[in-house]
Amino acid sequence: DQQVKQNSPSLSVQEGRISILNCDYTNSMFDYFLWYKKYPAEGPTFLISISSIKDKNEDGRFTVFLNKSAKHLSLHIVPSQPGDSAVYFCAAYSGAGSYQLTFGKGTKLSVIP
Amino acid sequence: ETGVTQSPTHLIKTRGQQVTLRCSSQSGHNTVSWYQQALGQGPQFIFQYYREEENGRGNFPPRFSGLQFPNYSSELNVNALELDDSALYLCASSLAGPGANVLTFGAGSRLTVL
Repeated sequence: DQQVKQNSPSLSVQEGRISILNCDYTNSMFDYFLWYKKYPAEGPTFLISISSIKDKNEDGRFTVFLNKSAKHLSLHIVPSQPGDSAVYFCAAYSGAGSYQLTFGKGTKLSVIP
Repeated sequence: ETGVTQSPTHLIKTRGQQVTLRCSSQSGHNTVSWYQQALGQGPQFIFQYYREEENGRGNFPPRFSGLQFPNYSSELNVNALELDDSALYLCASSLAGPGANVLTFGAGSRLTVL
C-alpha cells in the first residue's frame, strides 16, 4: 500500500518553461512534506519542505503547494534549467517527533536545452 | 563541514552471506537512519539510531540490524542475504530536535546479491 504516490515516472520540459511535479498521499496523519532531488551516483539532496499548516512555501525558483483537502502537493520550478534534470522524490512525515520518512517512487525530470 | 560518507560504494555478495555497510554522519549530527532503495522505487525506511539505540524500525526482518557508535557513525548488517536484498542502501543523518525532519543523505552503497 503506497502512502505517497508520484504517478508520473518521467517529465520532459523545455528550458525556461515551468516544471510541475505532482505528489498524492493517502495517510491523513502526514503533517510535514519534503522534496528531495537525486542525481545519478549521488544521494538525495533536500530541496524544499512544507508544513501542513501552510499551503505554499517558496525558495527561489522552487515553490511547493499543498492542498490538504485533496491530499495533494506539487513542486513548481520556474524557470526550468538543464541542471534541474534529476529524479525528484516527494516524502512525508507523520506527527511531531516522527522518525520515519515515507517516499514516493520519484519522477525523472528532463529539462531540454 | 563534511557530509555523510558511506562505504563501500559497490559490493557483490552471494545468497546466504552476510554484509556490513558503514556510514559516517555529517559533522554535528547525532541521529542516523538507513534506507533501502530498490530499482525503480523510492527509499524505504529500515531503522533509525539515536544515542546508540534503535529509535524506530520499518517493515524489515530481524536479519537487518544496526549499530551506532559514540562518534555517531553507524553500521548496517544484513545476515542470510537474499536476492531481493539487492538494492542501494542509503544512510542519512540529522540533528535531533528542531530541523530534525531534514535528512542529509550519503551517496549510498550498492549491494548486488547473486
